[in-house]
Amino acid sequence: AQTVTQSQPEMSVQEAETVTLSCTYDTSESDYYLFWYKQPPSRQMILVIRQEAYKQQNATENRFSVNFQKAAKSFSLKISDSQLGDAAMYFCAYRSGRNFGNEKLTFGTGTRLTIIP
Amino acid sequence: GAVVSQHPSWVICKSGTSVKIECRSLDFQATTMFWYRQFPKQSLMLMATSNEGSKATYEQGVEKDKFLINHASLTLSTLTVTSAHPEDSSFYICSARPVSGGGGNQPQHFGDGTRLSIL
Repeated sequence: AQTVTQSQPEMSVQEAETVTLSCTYDTSESDYYLFWYKQPPSRQMILVIRQEAYKQQNATENRFSVNFQKAAKSFSLKISDSQLGDAAMYFCAYRSGRNFGNEKLTFGTGTRLTIIP
Repeated sequence: GAVVSQHPSWVICKSGTSVKIECRSLDFQATTMFWYRQFPKQSLMLMATSNEGSKATYEQGVEKDKFLINHASLTLSTLTVTSAHPEDSSFYICSARPVSGGGGNQPQHFGDGTRLSIL
């Protein structure tokens, strides 16, 4: 079974600074997808960024980028130029690349990010 | 973008009643929807996978007779919490993945969640 570990229950960063959230995972599969979701106080789950395991290039979405280290099974999220609206709970998630159409997400325990004005 | 609507957003009811939660994909079709449960300050735990036209697949430890799932169409899945008790109070979230296009790269889209409080 796959597991996802987020070792930082809480993080804080000054507004406009950069912060990195850690995520490691354990799997025996070679084909899979990794995601970072954001859950603000409204509780809605919002997709931040995704990475296909077969791609060596790290995914980027505006101020958000990942450092995907497949051999180390590490998938960290970097938020640049942090904004007050970035304050939320961030979840790392894993999805198998097999069983097409019936893929479930395995979530980490989350990191609560606080932005300091 | 893909929108998933979940209703109701908040429900309070007495112990022993049954509560139905709806999950609709508004602008796409989904043969598979997922139901998660989230306790305060904890992560999302998958309860079951809802498959259109067939029985749901439940995760280990989830009572299928307690949490009834029906996926009658490509845009609607329902979760019914039967004979609810205070320990069933939680935040329930559904998600759906578009059927067409993009292959396995299509991400899941989440509803806004339902806060269930059993008195």
